[in-house]
Amino acid sequence: DIVLTQSPDFQSVTPKEKVTITCRASQSIGISLQWYQQKPDQSPKLLIKYASQSGSGVPSRFSGSGSGTDFTLTIDSLEAEDAATYYCHQSSSLPYTFGQGTKLEIK
Amino acid sequence: QVQLQQSGPGLVKPSQTLSLTCAISGDSVFTNTGAWNWIRQSPSRGLEWLGRTYYRSKWYNEYAVSMKSRITINPDTSKNQFSLQLNSVTPEDTAVYYCVRDDSGLVDWGQGTLVTVSS
Repeated sequence: DIVLTQSPDFQSVTPKEKVTITCRASQSIGISLQWYQQKPDQSPKLLIKYASQSGSGVPSRFSGSGSGTDFTLTIDSLEAEDAATYYCHQSSSLPYTFGQGTKLEIK
Repeated sequence: QVQLQQSGPGLVKPSQTLSLTCAISGDSVFTNTGAWNWIRQSPSRGLEWLGRTYYRSKWYNEYAVSMKSRITINPDTSKNQFSLQLNSVTPEDTAVYYCVRDDSGLVDWGQGTLVTVSS
């Protein structure tokens, strides 16, 4: 199975700050990498597909980059509503696997 | 807009069968561009993909190896829904279970069902 490792596990940030979350795959997955946002007591929501393509209705402050084994989710000018846990997910091969999550706290 | 509505019991006894159903609106279970997945989430295991079913001129099922002996995912074409059955459950199967549509990403999620395995 492909292992996805996110960093950091937790980050406390102030509004308007720029945030970067990384996801490293245990083997090359091309661009088959998605990012999701999950708020408490909600289902995950697709933010980014195929490493850099925005999901439907996703604010432009969210962007993704990377290929192969190293990927990045960037949130420009963080807003209070971005407090959530963020997950990466690979769809290169079965079984689908997920990162362990990065929890963002807004100061 | 696709919506997925889950139903099923929130409490299952050890050794029994966990059964959940996911009703689809806004799409067809026969879609040629997507797949219908079950994913679960627990504090100890995080997000875990369990399996999927999809139609490409015929029905296909794919399961996580760790689940393969216990899991069945079936489409119900008469009701435009799909189901999950997990046999011989233990407390380690306690989790929030999601049905999810996969179409270039896990695009649409059900509301989640907390299933507790306990006597």
